[in-house]
Amino acid sequence: SAVISQKPSRDICQRGTSLTIQCQVDSQVTMMFWYRQQPGQSLTLIATANQGSEATYESGFVIDKFPISRPNLTFSTLTVSNMSPEDSSIYLCSVEGHGLQETQYFGPGTRLLVL
Amino acid sequence: GNSVTQMEGPVTLSEEAFLTINCTYTATGYPSLFWYVQYPGEGLQLLLKATKADDKGSNKGFEATYRKETTSFHLEKGSVQVSDSAVYFCARRGSNYKLTFGKGTLLTVNP
Repeated sequence: SAVISQKPSRDICQRGTSLTIQCQVDSQVTMMFWYRQQPGQSLTLIATANQGSEATYESGFVIDKFPISRPNLTFSTLTVSNMSPEDSSIYLCSVEGHGLQETQYFGPGTRLLVL
Repeated sequence: GNSVTQMEGPVTLSEEAFLTINCTYTATGYPSLFWYVQYPGEGLQLLLKATKADDKGSNKGFEATYRKETTSFHLEKGSVQVSDSAVYFCARRGSNYKLTFGKGTLLTVNP
């Protein structure tokens, strides 16, 4: 498996501001993903973070709202821009790659509350 | 498209009761199937997985068998404990690496 950390673990933010979430994994991985889990809901894929190129976004998610960086094979960031209360969710990163046997492993999540 | 249909909760059981959480998936291609568990206030943990028909995944007393004929991957445990209280997610992995999740089932086990 992989050991994944996320920062911050939780935050309370004011509407209109932006928050950048970091995801760090303890080994090089091919794939990194970002998910959103709205209160009491399942997980929805936001985007696939591609190393060295632009992220691939799912329907309903756009780069201006959720810019993503992936500067290397162990690190990625997700920014939630111009936040509104509807952005209050848990944001999770996951990884998959060599040695992980076609399985995604998840970070502990970032709990975001927008006031 | 790809989808996963999961038994809706919440499910409330007494300790040592038998647990079944139903999960069915769309049969496009030959997906790998997973059960993840989310304990209160935590992220998702992989519970078990199966990658082909008739495979049985097992972990911590939980089991699930990949049934191609019924497109199902039901989660079972013979004797649940209070510590098993969590939300359980069934998921399907497509050929494009993407996971599709069911809606989740909240399990509460009472002493």
